[in-house]
Order: sequence, then structure tokens, then C-alpha cells
Amino acid sequence: DAKTTQPPSMDCAEGRAANLPCNHSTISGNEYVYWYRQIHSQGPQYIIHGLKNNETNEMASLIITEDRKSSTLILPHATLRDTAVYYCSVISGYALNFGKGTSLLVTP
Amino acid sequence: EPEVTQTPSHQVTQMGQEVILRCVPISNHLYFYWYRQILGQKVEFLVSFYNNEISEKSEIFDDQFSVERPDGSNFTLKIRSTKLEDSAMYFCASSDFLQGHYEQYFGPGTRLTVT
Repeated sequence: DAKTTQPPSMDCAEGRAANLPCNHSTISGNEYVYWYRQIHSQGPQYIIHGLKNNETNEMASLIITEDRKSSTLILPHATLRDTAVYYCSVISGYALNFGKGTSLLVTP
Repeated sequence: EPEVTQTPSHQVTQMGQEVILRCVPISNHLYFYWYRQILGQKVEFLVSFYNNEISEKSEIFDDQFSVERPDGSNFTLKIRSTKLEDSAMYFCASSDFLQGHYEQYFGPGTRLTVT
């Protein structure tokens, strides 16, 4: 599975959009991009996934570049409860690879 | 909303003892997983299970570990002879397979402390 690179930390003001980038330059054609988050020591929570098209659901939007080498998770109106570690994972099989992720701090 | 449940929430055991961690996946899911997270470290994949057999496992999942689906609802992880380094949070997850992908739902975890 392709390796991913994410910034270790980001800040965002409450109510503003949080844009979390992920690099996955070695992604192959059958690999999906998944985003999860972990709040404190809770179980990881699924956010969104995509293959090549941009995706949107009730939690977030996922923008995947045309060459699929990077993606951005967008939380359109961040709240304090969105403070968490966000993980980008690229897989074709079963195993999610959680790197160190991006620790997002949403501030009042 | 359906959810994955895990018991116990915290298990303390002595080194060398056997432990069984239990999970109840979401009822219509067919794929089951175990992950672990050592304190302060990243979440690591252990094993995936489908159709009553292991479909994928990591290097961590050695002969000390085993998984079982003893009935139609439970999914268990057994550690035969626990070591101090097995102390971690263990997460169970389950998923369906929709349109070529797996959306995994995680339980709240069992904190295993080996003394």
C-alpha cells in the first residue's frame, strides 16, 4: 500500500474551514484514499473515502488531485468537537495504515 | 445507529496469562478486524477475518495471537501468554464490502494492562 505524508499539526478557528492535506505520491490505480479521525483514545471514526472523484458527505469533503498523488480533507465549518487526530490512509485491501496523522486543534 | 461493542473496557492481567478480548461487530457486517494502539503510538493493524478464516495479518500477529468467531455475533482475540509489551488499547472493527471498498467501524476499545 502507498505511503502517506501529513503535517503533524494544524490549528483552525471555530466556524472556519479546516483543510487537511495528505500526500500519497506512490498511490496505484486500485487504491482508495480513506480518512479517519481519532478523538482522544476513542476508536477511530470513518470520515470519508474516494478513488479519483471528489466526494462529499455530511461530515466532510474530499478533494483528490487529478494525478491522485495528493488529497485534501475539508471540514467546512469546524467546531470544537472536531479537535482530533486525522489520518489519511491509502489501501487496496483490508488493512488500514494509520500513520502519525495530523493533530487538528480547533480554537474558539 | 448500529455500533461495534467491546468487552471488557479494561483488562488487567499478569504476564504469562491468557486473555480473551471480546467484540460484537455490527450485525450485517461480514468483515472483522483487530487493531492495537500502544500508549502514545499509532494505531496498528493486527488481523482481518472473513468467512471464518484470516484474510490478512500483520507481522505483529504471531503465534501468540488467535482470532475466532465462536457464534453468529461475537468475534474474539486471544493472546495465549501475555507479555509486558502487549499492554495496549485493542480496537475491534467491522465492515461490509460495498462497491469495492471497506468502510470500517471501530469499537471503543479494550485497554489491556499486563503487569
